[in-house]
Amino acid sequence: DQQVKQNSPSLSVQEGRISILNCDYTNSMFDYFLWYKKYPAEGPTFLISISSIKDKNEDGRFTVFLNKSAKHLSLHIVPSQPGDSAVYFCAASGNSGAGSYQLTFGKGTKLSVIP
Amino acid sequence: ETGVTQSPTHLIKTRGQQVTLRCSSQSGHNTVSWYQQALGQGPQFIFQYYREEENGRGNFPPRFSGLQFPNYSSELNVNALELDDSALYLCASSSGGASGIYEQYFGPGTRLTVT
Repeated sequence: DQQVKQNSPSLSVQEGRISILNCDYTNSMFDYFLWYKKYPAEGPTFLISISSIKDKNEDGRFTVFLNKSAKHLSLHIVPSQPGDSAVYFCAASGNSGAGSYQLTFGKGTKLSVIP
Repeated sequence: ETGVTQSPTHLIKTRGQQVTLRCSSQSGHNTVSWYQQALGQGPQFIFQYYREEENGRGNFPPRFSGLQFPNYSSELNVNALELDDSALYLCASSSGGASGIYEQYFGPGTRLTVT
């Protein structure tokens, strides 16, 4: 059963506009959330994270929002740039029963920013 | 500061063979995690090593095993390869120790193809 879900496999956005990527989770034990960006033939690159005690974290053009009651988080990219085109993975961390703070990933959303 | 490195980049093996993948962690990091990423999926946690001991394991059979060395580098060994083992294998390092909620930094991965 998927504990982290990214329901949109792809998203297209015009350059300069806002990109909003969504993620839902089911496991209440998750207490730290991360977004990674992945280009083809490269490993995932850490982008931004948020602790469950916060509801917003901002880093330059990237902002992550967390709604614990809805078990939902989102990544906002403003303004979107062509170089942002990549696959974005949502990941959650917490002791999900395996005895370590592993990352549980969603399936990813492919973002295309159109010039 | 050196990032996470992995070797080899690509590997082709025959069903039933054994394979060893290698990872050097980022400078200052003492925890290494291994993930398997199948096509179109998010990375899946295999296991994590801290202080040369396995510290948590995902839903993978015992033919997946690993080692961590005193310099924090790590190996992933897979015995009796199956066709479904074909995937991108990612190594990630972090500085959180056995139970830290810290960002994990990924290497570029090893693409394993089993024929």
